[in-house]
Amino acid sequence: DAGVTQSPTHLIKTRGQQVTLRCSPKSGHDTVSWYQQALGQGPQFIFQYYEEEERQRGNFPDRFSGHQFPNYSSELNVNALLLGDSALYLCASSKDRGLSQPQHFGDGTRLSIL
Amino acid sequence: SQQGEEDPQALSIQEGENATMNCSYKTSINNLQWYRQNSGRGLVHLILIRSNEREKHSGRLRVTLDTSKKSSSLLITASRAADTASYFCATESSNYKLTFGKGTLLTVNP
Repeated sequence: DAGVTQSPTHLIKTRGQQVTLRCSPKSGHDTVSWYQQALGQGPQFIFQYYEEEERQRGNFPDRFSGHQFPNYSSELNVNALLLGDSALYLCASSKDRGLSQPQHFGDGTRLSIL
Repeated sequence: SQQGEEDPQALSIQEGENATMNCSYKTSINNLQWYRQNSGRGLVHLILIRSNEREKHSGRLRVTLDTSKKSSSLLITASRAADTASYFCATESSNYKLTFGKGTLLTVNP
C-alpha cells in the first residue's frame, strides 16, 4: 500500500523562476493539502484540493497555485520565486476533506532559492 | 499564523525517562493532533484527541486535553533513542485545515 509520494525530493531555483511540485496521495485518499515548512518552524497550510477544486486556502499570495487531477494527484505551482520561498514543501492526503482524520504526509520537496 | 505553541522548545532526556511536551492554543477546536517529524522527513501522525475527550492513550503515548485552559500535553513513557525527533501539535477547527505549532525538539540520549 503506497503512501504519499512527492517529487522531486530536492530542487534548486533562482529568484524570479517558476517551480512545479508534484504529489500522489495515499491509495484510497481523495483530498490533498499542501504545507510550507520553513527551517525550524512548524508547517504552514497553503491550500487544500478536493474534487479537483481548491476548497480552503491559507495566508499565501496568488503566486502559489495548484491543481488536482482526476486520479487525485496534485501539483503545487509557485511563480516569481523569492528567497523567502526556500522551504520544505509537504503534501498531506486524507479522505473526504479529512475533517477529524489523521493526515498522511509525504517526505516533502526541499526547495532552495538562490 | 501559528495557533498551537509547544513548550518546551527543546528537551533532552536519558533513555528510559519520561518526556512531557505541552501545547497551548487560542481558538475553539474540533480536535487536536500530535505529529512526529524525524530530521528532513515528513510528519507522522501519532494521536488525535477530539474536543469532547479529556485523555487518550496509544502504546507509550498519553495525551490530555483541557479545553477550558486551551492546552494539551503529550507524555512519552520509557523513552528510547528512536523517539528522538521534533513533535508538533496541530489544531483543527471547522475549516478543514490543520494549524501547527513550532514544535518541541526531543533528544533521547542512550
